Amino acid sequence: EDQVTQSPEALRLQEGESSSLNCSYTVSGLRGLFWYRQDPGKGPEFLFTLYSAGEEKEKERLKATLTKKESFLHITAPKPEDSATYLCAVQGMNTGFQKLVFGTGTRLLVSP
Amino acid sequence: DTEVTQTPKHLVMGMTNKKSLKCEQHMGHRAMYWYKQKAKKPPELMFVYSYEKLSINESVPSRFSPECPNSSLLNLHLHALQPEDSALYLCASSIRTGLGTEAFFGQGTRLTVV
Repeated sequence: EDQVTQSPEALRLQEGESSSLNCSYTVSGLRGLFWYRQDPGKGPEFLFTLYSAGEEKEKERLKATLTKKESFLHITAPKPEDSATYLCAVQGMNTGFQKLVFGTGTRLLVSP
Repeated sequence: DTEVTQTPKHLVMGMTNKKSLKCEQHMGHRAMYWYKQKAKKPPELMFVYSYEKLSINESVPSRFSPECPNSSLLNLHLHALQPEDSALYLCASSIRTGLGTEAFFGQGTRLTVV
């Protein structure tokens, strides 16, 4: 069974204090690893898709990386508007259609 | 434009009511999904439609009835719900159901069953 574990559960940073969020996964034949951002009471907002180990993608202050066992979301010089829950999800060979298996997320709070 | 529109944003219904949630996308996506999300939990898949046909039902109780009238619309019909069904209901779409394609989510309908 595909599984995703995210850590830490919650993270508090000062504005400008860089850090990383971790997503460890177990999947039979990774077909895609996805990062989403979710604000309270809203739907998840798509950030990145990673397909194979060694791949990296960047968007503004965010950079996602992927190894064979985990993915990291690096946040450089965060701002208060980066505060949100960051969700990691995987899709494996066994899930067939577009079934995303989500982790429980990391709640990020960036203080001014 | 990666917009998925859900209506209503909020819904309060009694256990004997019948209501429907609506979802619309105009991105030409041929796969649409319903997810359920409880507070501080990740989204959980309920249904998948591929080319307007139901392809996945994650053992969802029959009081939830999905419908896909055309490639742009997805409905979720609700009947005789229980208070524990209160949650954020999320619609999503993707260009296809091929592996490795990202899903785009709507803003959700906050459902409260009283």
